[in-house]
Amino acid sequence: GDSVTQMEGPVTLSEEAFLTINCTYTATGYPSLFWYVQYPGEGLQLLLKATKADDKGSNKGFEATYRKETTSFHLEKGSVQVSDSAVYFCALTGGYNKLIFGAGTRLAVHP
Amino acid sequence: DAGVIQSPRHEVTEMGQEVTLRCKPISGHDYLFWYRQTMMRGLELLIYFNNNVPIDDSGMPEDRFSAKMPNASFSTLKIQPSEPRDSAVYFCASSILGTGNTIYFGEGSWLTVV
Repeated sequence: GDSVTQMEGPVTLSEEAFLTINCTYTATGYPSLFWYVQYPGEGLQLLLKATKADDKGSNKGFEATYRKETTSFHLEKGSVQVSDSAVYFCALTGGYNKLIFGAGTRLAVHP
Repeated sequence: DAGVIQSPRHEVTEMGQEVTLRCKPISGHDYLFWYRQTMMRGLELLIYFNNNVPIDDSGMPEDRFSAKMPNASFSTLKIQPSEPRDSAVYFCASSILGTGNTIYFGEGSWLTVV
């Protein structure tokens, strides 16, 4: 079945460091891919998405490119801030629009 | 526009009691999802509806859990009787059919069963 695998956390970075969180997927057909973010004590918010191969999603300095050849959707940010500390979830839409999530990667950014 | 609205936001209940979680999806959305989040198991899809009809309830952990969607603007997730291992955050989410359409989450119901 469809699945998402993302790198285990926690990822600990200093402010202004470069961030990469790896995400790979297994799916039949052509899923849409998403990154959601969950700040402490809050629900999930959509961070960015891409709906077809080679699309790049971007938001708040984060970006990810839909790579069909490597079945990947890695999240990157050039310079992280303390306020980016959160849990990041990679996800894809399976059949009937349902989201299938990865396990989540906790990011901690220190001043 | 109002987002997905869940209630209660926080609930503490005793083991054996019935718990009812409520959700109002975004108006016009035809899909509704219930997810559960725990430290051990991450985010699990429990059940989802399309046009008020349950499509897949294979994620519902056991018969103690039930979900209904009597109309397009309301859904409930019920646990009866509740157990301490049911303690989790329960999220409701909604979306509209279409490739790549975003699924929007509520803020969650934080359940503690003691």
